[in-house]
Amino acid sequence: ETGVTQTPRHLVMGMTNKKSLKCEQHLGHNAMYWYKQSAKKPLELMFVYSLEERVENNSVPSRFSPECPNSSHLFLHLHTLQPEDSALYLCASSQDLGTYEQYFGPGTRLTVT
Amino acid sequence: EDQVTQSPEALRLQEGESSSLNCSYTVSGLRGLFWYRQDPGKGPEFLFTLYSAGEEKEKERLKATLTKKESFLHITAPKPEDSATYLCAVQATLNSGGSNYKLTFGKGTLLTVNP
Repeated sequence: ETGVTQTPRHLVMGMTNKKSLKCEQHLGHNAMYWYKQSAKKPLELMFVYSLEERVENNSVPSRFSPECPNSSHLFLHLHTLQPEDSALYLCASSQDLGTYEQYFGPGTRLTVT
Repeated sequence: EDQVTQSPEALRLQEGESSSLNCSYTVSGLRGLFWYRQDPGKGPEFLFTLYSAGEEKEKERLKATLTKKESFLHITAPKPEDSATYLCAVQATLNSGGSNYKLTFGKGTLLTVNP
């Protein structure tokens, strides 16, 4: 595997379900990010981790819970989501927190029914 | 607050018909301006970073330029495989109140190149 990978690529879940999104980066980077991309809206930054430490929680509802067990892996735990949470969830990484370029994974298309 | 506006929202070109995409931005101190390409159902793919006014970068049929208020992505003799959404993002400097890692994105320009 190369670059940034995400699993699953597609997920359909009910509002009472609990699921997790997984991201893995194979670039040796130290910073990882979660973004939400909804139709007709710009990418929204959700969470930022640097060396497994969360440095930003961008006013995201508590039904989204991130976890970063090491610098290569990032999870987004989901529970009791709402239909408006349906979106493409993108993971990204960069060499360090202050490094310019962020590299994105393919995303997880989430549908909440 | 940092703002990025991209125009047009959608652009349809014939193969070989050159054009430009616009990214207007407002940021108190620019650390970098980024262009990404995003294909349907995929994550954004990094294209260019521009740091200061007057800078230009090229990659195949794409050329990105930067002024103090906007950036242009020029597409020369496009091919159908250039069809994608092109995203622009800015990053502010720390001493202007920025977080030095947060990217503020525009909504993108959907480019369609017909054969």
